[in-house]
Amino acid sequence: EAGVAQSPRYKIIEKRQSVAFWCNPISGHATLYWYQQILGQGPKLLIQFQNNGVVDDSQLPKDRFSAERLKGVDSTLKIQPAKLEDSAVYLCASSLVDRNNEQFFGPGTRLTVL
Amino acid sequence: GIQVEQSPPDLILQEGANSTLRCNFSDSVNNLQWFHQNPWGQLINLFYIPSGTKQNGRLSATTVATERYSLLYISSSQTTDSGVYFCAARRGGQNFVFGPGTRLSVLP
Repeated sequence: EAGVAQSPRYKIIEKRQSVAFWCNPISGHATLYWYQQILGQGPKLLIQFQNNGVVDDSQLPKDRFSAERLKGVDSTLKIQPAKLEDSAVYLCASSLVDRNNEQFFGPGTRLTVL
Repeated sequence: GIQVEQSPPDLILQEGANSTLRCNFSDSVNNLQWFHQNPWGQLINLFYIPSGTKQNGRLSATTVATERYSLLYISSSQTTDSGVYFCAARRGGQNFVFGPGTRLSVLP
């Protein structure tokens, strides 16, 4: 069974530029999560989707971050415009629809904002 | 929301030694997972263990839900065990919360 796929793996941009990350969850996993992991910290949830609907985006900085999950499968996370403090690893995870089920993580995208 | 603490923050072992990592959580949980983040940043699932005991090779985990803690045991450690170990917990319909992690270094 294929795992969670993410791209790109690395991205370097200048502040005020835009960037987008892509995630493809494990087949059959209706729930998809985006996390931000700043160096030296644990991951922090940004947004959770169930199918193509948003379940929780309370920690998403909506003035600059946006996310969508069209057709309930792939998802994209966008930052526009980027700030220096957005430098982090962006992790995508998926799980079965039951909220108590295990989460499985992709390899992450390491973003550096200069 | 739920608070998750981990101890120790850092651990250095000689290859072959055993270790115990602890995760405390502030309220009852219905989901608790242990992860290993390898040096390349990948989060690897170790255990899904909201209660009870599980074993997988040299690793085992125990969660005592009534006392709000979970333990991860690593026996006969190897250099490939190095990395950061996270526990993450969820209560009811709330979001998954990660602890700050335990950074393990296993020396040859």
